[in-house]
Amino acid sequence: DGGITQSPKYLFRKEGQNVTLSCEQNLNHDAMYWYRQDPGQGLRLIYYSQIVNDFQKGDIAEGYSVSREKKESFPLTVTSAQKNPTAFYLCASTQGQDNSPLHFGNGTRLTVT
Amino acid sequence: SQKIEQNSEALNIQEGKTATLTCNYTNYSPAYLQWYRQDPGRGPVFLLLIRENEKEKRKERLKVTFDTTLKQSLFHITASQPADSATYLCAFILTGGGNKLTFGTGTQLKVEL
Repeated sequence: DGGITQSPKYLFRKEGQNVTLSCEQNLNHDAMYWYRQDPGQGLRLIYYSQIVNDFQKGDIAEGYSVSREKKESFPLTVTSAQKNPTAFYLCASTQGQDNSPLHFGNGTRLTVT
Repeated sequence: SQKIEQNSEALNIQEGKTATLTCNYTNYSPAYLQWYRQDPGRGPVFLLLIRENEKEKRKERLKVTFDTTLKQSLFHITASQPADSATYLCAFILTGGGNKLTFGTGTQLKVEL
């Protein structure tokens, strides 16, 4: 059963700690994305990767880092430099053509206190 | 700047009626537009894609229109059901945006018995 798996569903951290969110896909998609969603705001793009070992900053990359060592995996690290890390984080993938729909995971809700 | 706007107020309608959601964009002419459905605590799910040369697209009870003169897309759900209650997001790729989708804030639809 193909899809995108994000884990964990809920994550709690203390301020000042780095935390890594997992995203794995078995759809054989080339491109992967990380979005952040806050109440009343649209999805905002953090980072994206169109091919293994390559990634680009999105609109709100400050305080985040990513890696793309394998096609199936695109982990996101929320660093202590991120001013407002509490949010709902969504990972997505797509085949790569410019009109391909995105396939999303079910998100990780991160709470930092 | 390029913007995509959806009505932030929730739309409440009675079961069996047609729901119509609006997506407006400014300072841009997208080649296509996508619509997604998002349930609480879940990732968005792709519904329909419409290209600029397609005035209308249908899928079962769903219909999307694309008016490049008005810079607007309308999303219709006919014979609405309580199970259609969700948030609906429109999205497109900005000029020079590669394969990065920009999303509207979404409109929440509530279908009441």
